[in-house]
Amino acid sequence: EPEVTQTPSHQVTQMGQEVILRCVPISNHLYFYWYRQILGQKVEFLVSFYNNEISEKSEIFDDQFSVERPDGSNFTLKIRSTKLEDSAMYFCASSISQETQYFGPGTRLLVL
Amino acid sequence: EDQVTQSPEALRLQEGESSSLNCSYTVSGLRGLFWYRQDPGKGPEFLFTLYSAGEEKEKERLKATLTKKESFLHITAPKPEDSATYLCALYSGGGADGLTFGKGTHLIIQP
Repeated sequence: EPEVTQTPSHQVTQMGQEVILRCVPISNHLYFYWYRQILGQKVEFLVSFYNNEISEKSEIFDDQFSVERPDGSNFTLKIRSTKLEDSAMYFCASSISQETQYFGPGTRLLVL
Repeated sequence: EDQVTQSPEALRLQEGESSSLNCSYTVSGLRGLFWYRQDPGKGPEFLFTLYSAGEEKEKERLKATLTKKESFLHITAPKPEDSATYLCALYSGGGADGLTFGKGTHLIIQP
């Protein structure tokens, strides 16, 4: 069964450093998303991406964040200058129909 | 603003003891209500999509139902492997692509 994959599974970085989180969505899906989940809190929407551009972003997704689909399979989330409060699980998701979204296993980001 | 409230926050059951989890919601226009299962340190695993009041979906020991204001996830004769956090999420569409999640119900099934 096709699934969303994410790398790395864990990332530790120093405050102020740039990180890139990578995702490979399900191959025939057209809509791509990033969510985050701070420990013990709810899953929160960050951004959606369709047809090579951002279609919606939340208030959390400020100028420190960017997304890219550099080739036909990868989808990346970049955090330019990490802050302590960026520590969270980051989930990539994809969907074929903009409704049912399938999530990856997540990247646990720890900012020190 | 779309809102999702799940109850209870945590539930401990004996193996075989059936129960229901609740998801109450307010939304301007519901395009879909989703149930996911999340194991510790893992991503949400899709279970069901419900689109309209009166709709029901079943999978093994789980059954999801939907009314105009809430959804229930019924668990019949649960087993320890059903232990997980169950998440409810809304999709309202209309340019709002992201799902709105509840905080989840942490379910523990004791052998």
